[in-house]
Amino acid sequence: SQQGEEDPQALSIQEGENATMNCSYKTSINNLQWYRQNSGRGLVHLILIRSNEREKHSGRLRVTLDTSKKSSSLLITASRAADTASYFCATEGGGYNKLIFGAGTRLAVHP
Amino acid sequence: KAGVTQTPRYLIKTRGQQVTLSCSPISGHRSVSWYQQTPGQGLQFLFEYFSETQRNKGNFPGRFSGRQFSNSRSEMNVSTLELGDSALYLCASSLQDYGYTFGSGTRLTVV
Repeated sequence: SQQGEEDPQALSIQEGENATMNCSYKTSINNLQWYRQNSGRGLVHLILIRSNEREKHSGRLRVTLDTSKKSSSLLITASRAADTASYFCATEGGGYNKLIFGAGTRLAVHP
Repeated sequence: KAGVTQTPRYLIKTRGQQVTLSCSPISGHRSVSWYQQTPGQGLQFLFEYFSETQRNKGNFPGRFSGRQFSNSRSEMNVSTLELGDSALYLCASSLQDYGYTFGSGTRLTVV
């Protein structure tokens, strides 16, 4: 079963706008990770944030983590058409190398 | 550096048959994990291997099995296929705390 929920389920924006996706989870974690998937292909690792971190940046990506609320957000700034994909959060914790995924957010960026 | 290689990319099998999927991890990665992705259930953890030992198993029936060889390559097997086993099967390799690298997946269709 999935760890938690992501919202929105789908997001449609114009190029240049920012996109924010949210993720909630249920149990304690060691880290939370974000992945991108293009059209049913493999998952691409975007960023990992550890449970003792609150914010992390990587290029146009900004991830926040609030362990007291069991939630995380992914912000993509200045979106491009190439960012069109599904984005998944995944938590890791309490067991060996096991990711529990959210349901994902489908992002469409229009030129 | 080569990525995670999964073979075959596509597979069509008949109900009742069995299937074996292969995964070659990134060189030096000793942990290999498997995930099933379906539209209804999303991404679900199947199992994880490290140094030829299964360390963790998801909530799947015994028809799903796997193994890992001394060179870290892994195989998963599904016996007595059912229509509901149609899915994208993803393999990932990892180093602790650095996120996972996924292969492109094997799309299995059971008819």
